[in-house]
Amino acid sequence: KQEVTQIPAALSVPEGENLVLNCSFTDSAIYNLQWFRQDPGKGLTSLLLIQSSQREQTSGRLNASLDKSSGRSTLYIAASQPGDSATYLCAVRRGGADGLTFGKGTHLIIQP
Amino acid sequence: NAGVMQNPRHLVRRRGQEARLRCSPMKGHSHVYWYRQLPEEGLKFMVYLQKENIIDESGMPKERFSAEFPKEGPSILRIQQVVRGDSAAYFCASSPYREQGARNSPLHFGNGTRLTVT
Repeated sequence: KQEVTQIPAALSVPEGENLVLNCSFTDSAIYNLQWFRQDPGKGLTSLLLIQSSQREQTSGRLNASLDKSSGRSTLYIAASQPGDSATYLCAVRRGGADGLTFGKGTHLIIQP
Repeated sequence: NAGVMQNPRHLVRRRGQEARLRCSPMKGHSHVYWYRQLPEEGLKFMVYLQKENIIDESGMPKERFSAEFPKEGPSILRIQQVVRGDSAAYFCASSPYREQGARNSPLHFGNGTRLTVT
């Protein structure tokens, strides 16, 4: 059974810092990995999607890496801003399966 | 182009009542997924549907829960005889393709329905 773990569970940093969020998964036979952002009372917004054959994806100040063999992914946020405050979720899709397996998320607060 | 629309946003039911949650996918999307987020828990996959077909219901509780996606109209997640443990946020997501996260096709989520059972 696939399990996804996100560390840390919560993080509070001053504005402007670069930071790294971690995601690990137990079954390396994944189809892809996605990072989402969830704002309070809202749905999820897809940030980055990495196919199993890829090593990283970049979008603006965000960079996600994937090391499938070791079951790890990181989300790097450069020059953090208060607007980045949200819960960040990592999810993996197993090949041939339809449902995503989510981690519990990292609750991020960027202090102005 | 409206996103995934879920209603109601908040739903309060007493134990034993029925809850009906509705989801209208993005225009052009024929694949719908339901997820449940319990307090302090991650999102859990429940069911995947295409028009008029349930493709994968491996995450659905065996009793009281059902889902449909008719040819016309929204997808419905129905919970009969609700219990307090059903209190959660229920999210719907849609995709134009079967493969969630297919290249250039991230999953689109609605804002969820927050069910409270009293």
